[in-house]
Amino acid sequence: SQQGEEDPQALSIQEGENATMNCSYKTSINNLQWYRQNSGRGLVHLILIRSNEREKHSGRLRVTLDTSKKSSSLLITASRAADTASYFCATNNAGNMLTFGGGTRLMVKP
Amino acid sequence: EPEVTQTPSHQVTQMGQEVILRCVPISNHLYFYWYRQILGQKVEFLVSFYNNEISEKSEIFDDQFSVERPDGSNFTLKIRSTKLEDSAMYFCASRGEMGGAGGGQFFGPGTRLTVL
Repeated sequence: SQQGEEDPQALSIQEGENATMNCSYKTSINNLQWYRQNSGRGLVHLILIRSNEREKHSGRLRVTLDTSKKSSSLLITASRAADTASYFCATNNAGNMLTFGGGTRLMVKP
Repeated sequence: EPEVTQTPSHQVTQMGQEVILRCVPISNHLYFYWYRQILGQKVEFLVSFYNNEISEKSEIFDDQFSVERPDGSNFTLKIRSTKLEDSAMYFCASRGEMGGAGGGQFFGPGTRLTVL
């Protein structure tokens, strides 16, 4: 698989449930970032976790990073219909570029 | 809240024509980027720009592409002779100094380029 692969590709849940998305990558990284993209719109930066961090919280978001397994997870707690979007992980290994995964399409049903 | 803006939102052009996509990054940001997303595919890095020069570019960013910061606010991507496969959504992004290299980037809404 390529750098930054998310699974599942699609996830459908009921409002109020938690949503967990996973990301795997292949090379060493400086940091890993999660972005949200609403249909036809730009990418919104959600959270950044550095390679020496294991867990980070921001509101209803919780991100974990396991560098030994080269994987990260994004947990959205108490989901809302407005959380419906595609979620991408992106890795930064050196310099400025971000390498994006294919994304997870999350649908939260009211 | 400051945001990155892009114009036009949709550009249709004939194959072989030149196009210029425009971006206005967040005013106090110093690092600028272009990415593209072909329909149904991943977001791909094209180029990063800092201190009036390209700092990094991908294999996609060949001689047909160029970037410029013509004044203190605009950041442009030029495609000299468009090909059908250049059809994609092009995103501009910018970043401030905070967060160090690779910190969170702020993306614009994108320009959808359609090459006929």
